[in-house]
Amino acid sequence: SQTIHQWPATLVQPVGSPLSLECTVEGTSNPNLYWYRQAAGRGLQLLFYSVGIGQISSEVPQNLSASRPQDRQFILSSKKLLLSDSGFYLCAWEPDRANTGELFFGEGSRLTVL
Amino acid sequence: QKEVEQDPGPLSVPEGAIVSLNCTYSNSAFQYFMWYRQYSRKGPELLMYTYSSGNKEDGRFTAQVDKSSKYISLFIRDSQPSDSATYLCAMSDGNYQLIWGAGTKLIIKP
Repeated sequence: SQTIHQWPATLVQPVGSPLSLECTVEGTSNPNLYWYRQAAGRGLQLLFYSVGIGQISSEVPQNLSASRPQDRQFILSSKKLLLSDSGFYLCAWEPDRANTGELFFGEGSRLTVL
Repeated sequence: QKEVEQDPGPLSVPEGAIVSLNCTYSNSAFQYFMWYRQYSRKGPELLMYTYSSGNKEDGRFTAQVDKSSKYISLFIRDSQPSDSATYLCAMSDGNYQLIWGAGTKLIIKP
């Protein structure tokens, strides 16, 4: 069966510090991978998606970046965090080329920027 | 006007009641309709998935899509306290970009 792991679960970072959130998927090959951010009481905002190694599409201009160094690994990064980067970050995967919206989410990473 | 509208609630009902959750949308190109359930401080989990119009039933859950009215619903029968969560609707026209509702917080009172 397929599983998705996301870490760290919680982190508190000062403004201007770097960020690295990691996500790995097991039990599937060439998944579509997504990074979302969820603000309190709001829907999910798509940040990045990837259909393959090194292929990243960005949805929202910001100081965040994403990388996919391996087939089942997706990393969200920032060189300098802003207060507005606080939120709940979710990694998700979808079967290869599905594009049907059947996403499987990780447990999320709660980021607080102070 | 948002592409997807969803009442944020909270919706509070007694245990055993039938629950109706709804979303309306404006884009007639949407073909895929999903309901996700999200417990507090957890990632969403896919609950129901429907392609195009019609009904789909899975245990106590029924999803309905009315494309003519641009309206989707999720019904929960015999609601349980464990159903207390936020329910998110999402829809897609077949590309990578899902459009999400803001979520309805549901509280089932024992």
